[in-house]
Amino acid sequence: AQSVTQPDIHITVSEGASLELRCNYSYGATPYLFWYVQSPGQGLQLLLKYFSGDTLVQGIKGFEAEFKRSQSSFNLRKPSVHWSDAAEYFCAVGIYNQGGKLIFGQGTELSVKP
Amino acid sequence: EAEVAQSPRYKITEKSQAVAFWCDPISGHATLYWYRQILGQGPELLVQFQDESVVDDSQLPKDRFSAERLKGVDSTLKIQPAELGDSAMYLCASSWDPGSDNEQFFGPGTRLTVL
Repeated sequence: AQSVTQPDIHITVSEGASLELRCNYSYGATPYLFWYVQSPGQGLQLLLKYFSGDTLVQGIKGFEAEFKRSQSSFNLRKPSVHWSDAAEYFCAVGIYNQGGKLIFGQGTELSVKP
Repeated sequence: EAEVAQSPRYKITEKSQAVAFWCDPISGHATLYWYRQILGQGPELLVQFQDESVVDDSQLPKDRFSAERLKGVDSTLKIQPAELGDSAMYLCASSWDPGSDNEQFFGPGTRLTVL
């Protein structure tokens, strides 16, 4: 069965420090992968997506993610975190043979220390 | 910039009452999704429409939940009767078509609290 695992429920980093959020997926075919961000009480905003090609993808707000097929991972990174990055981050896999529905991980809550 | 609209943003109800949520997708988007997000978890698909037809409602609790998209544009999700366990954020999303390589745009959600 398809699934997404985000091992870290909560991460705290200092402002200006680098960030890496982990995501592992289970899917029998080439995955379509996404990272979304959710601010408190808000909907989800797409940060970046991977469909094919270059395994390092760039997104909005200075985020990037690297697809590693051998590790079934799609980790999100940012070189320097800003206080406004504090939010909940969700990794998702798109199921192309089931109407494109998204399977989400449980999310990682990011806190930023001043 | 076009957005997915949802109303109400917040709803408080007592158990056994009926509630309804409304979603207006981005103009031209043929595919509409309703997700439920329980606190501390990721969203989970409840129902997916392609135009006015249901494509996937395998996770929709059909004894109490119903969804419709009569003219293939806006959609309504209903719960009757509401139970305590239905307290969650209900998110609507839309995309151009159902392929996985089409970005889903999410609305702000409706936060439901069942007392």
